[in-house]
Amino acid sequence: SQQGEEDPQALSIQEGENATMNCSYKTSINNLQWYRQNSGRGLVHLILIRSNEREKHSGRLRVTLDTSKKSSSLLITASRAADTASYFCATDGDDKIIFGKGTRLHILP
Amino acid sequence: EAGVVQSPRYKIIEKKQPVAFWCNPISGHNTLYWYLQNLGQGPELLIRYENEEAVDDSQLPKDRFSAERLKGVDSTLKIQPAELGDSAVYLCASSEQGRSYEQYFGPGTRLTVT
Repeated sequence: SQQGEEDPQALSIQEGENATMNCSYKTSINNLQWYRQNSGRGLVHLILIRSNEREKHSGRLRVTLDTSKKSSSLLITASRAADTASYFCATDGDDKIIFGKGTRLHILP
Repeated sequence: EAGVVQSPRYKIIEKKQPVAFWCNPISGHNTLYWYLQNLGQGPELLIRYENEEAVDDSQLPKDRFSAERLKGVDSTLKIQPAELGDSAVYLCASSEQGRSYEQYFGPGTRLTVT
């Protein structure tokens, strides 16, 4: 069964605005990771947040994790054209890593 | 540092033909993953290796798919015979040790079965 489910499926925002995407999951996890995938390319790791952590930052990225709600959010601040990509959450739980279907982010000039 | 290397990048074959994909992980990475990614979907794990041992192959269709990681370094994924539904991108990734570490992905092999 699909573990991570991203929301929204697609998002278009103006350059400079903030982008928020969410990931919900069903079972307990050890950690949750966010990845970016540009069109036709492999995935690039963004952030890993462990189950005992609530928030992590990396540059313009902010990830939160709420294990009571089984959800995570990825915030990209001051978006740029280069942020146009698909973003996936991957949950590590039940001895498996499962990726969601992704959020397709499009930054408008 | 070289990233994960995959070859070929593209492959077109007729159904019922065999096909093989090769992956060389980042040096020192003990864990290697093979994923299948359909258009508009997230990667789906096929098999995970810890060194040369396949520790999770529950999603690998063993009637037609096989994989090996001899000497715990590079790996080969094979499909025989290929079916139309196997058309997808096959991604290889590696991580330092265990699945709780960030994964580094290769560019993938785009397979088209006609």
